[in-house]
Amino acid sequence: GENVEQHPSTLSVQEGDSAVIKCTYSDSASNYFPWYKQELGKGPQLIIDIRSNVGEKKDQRIAVTLNKTAKHFSLHITETQPEDSAVYFCAASREMGLNKFYFGSGTKLNVKP
Amino acid sequence: NAGVTQTPKFRILKIGQSMTLQCTQDMNHNYMYWYRQDPGMGLKLIYYSVGAGITDKGEVPNGYNVSRSTTEDFPLRLELAAPSQTSVYFCASSRTGSNQPQHFGDGTRLSIL
Repeated sequence: GENVEQHPSTLSVQEGDSAVIKCTYSDSASNYFPWYKQELGKGPQLIIDIRSNVGEKKDQRIAVTLNKTAKHFSLHITETQPEDSAVYFCAASREMGLNKFYFGSGTKLNVKP
Repeated sequence: NAGVTQTPKFRILKIGQSMTLQCTQDMNHNYMYWYRQDPGMGLKLIYYSVGAGITDKGEVPNGYNVSRSTTEDFPLRLELAAPSQTSVYFCASSRTGSNQPQHFGDGTRLSIL
């Protein structure tokens, strides 16, 4: 099955700096890569996703990049704010078959004011 | 718009007791999922369902059972609670098909003592 690895496990940045979280996957058939934000006591919320037919996608301060050859994808948050503090999860799934996600182990982001 | 609703939010069980975690969604999604989230381990799929009357095992199904009698509801049952089942449980749903975002509830925090 698919194996998704996520780094770093914790990340601390100063408010206004950028944050980058990286994930690698093992199954070359994976072609959908969502990113979720989980705030304390809440369920994961989708913040951005990317499909394998594009290399980059942006939504305001958030961007995701995908390198299919190297089988890795990254989340970029610019101009970080204290409310960006949360745990972020990456995931991967394949188009063929069921909508099953394989999640990374999470990154705890702390944005210091 | 309620989305995915899970009850209860917290529960403490004694070893050997049984209980049902409730999950309901109002988005008319055919696909539903149960995950467990252990510290630093990301989300692991327990069971999933592609429609009423159809369920299948995920990565970590041992010790759990599910049923899907309606599109809206997907309860998870623990028959003989064990300390290893102490975790946070998340229910999610998505539209039919692959590469669809999954929508999560806020979780049930379960402790087995």
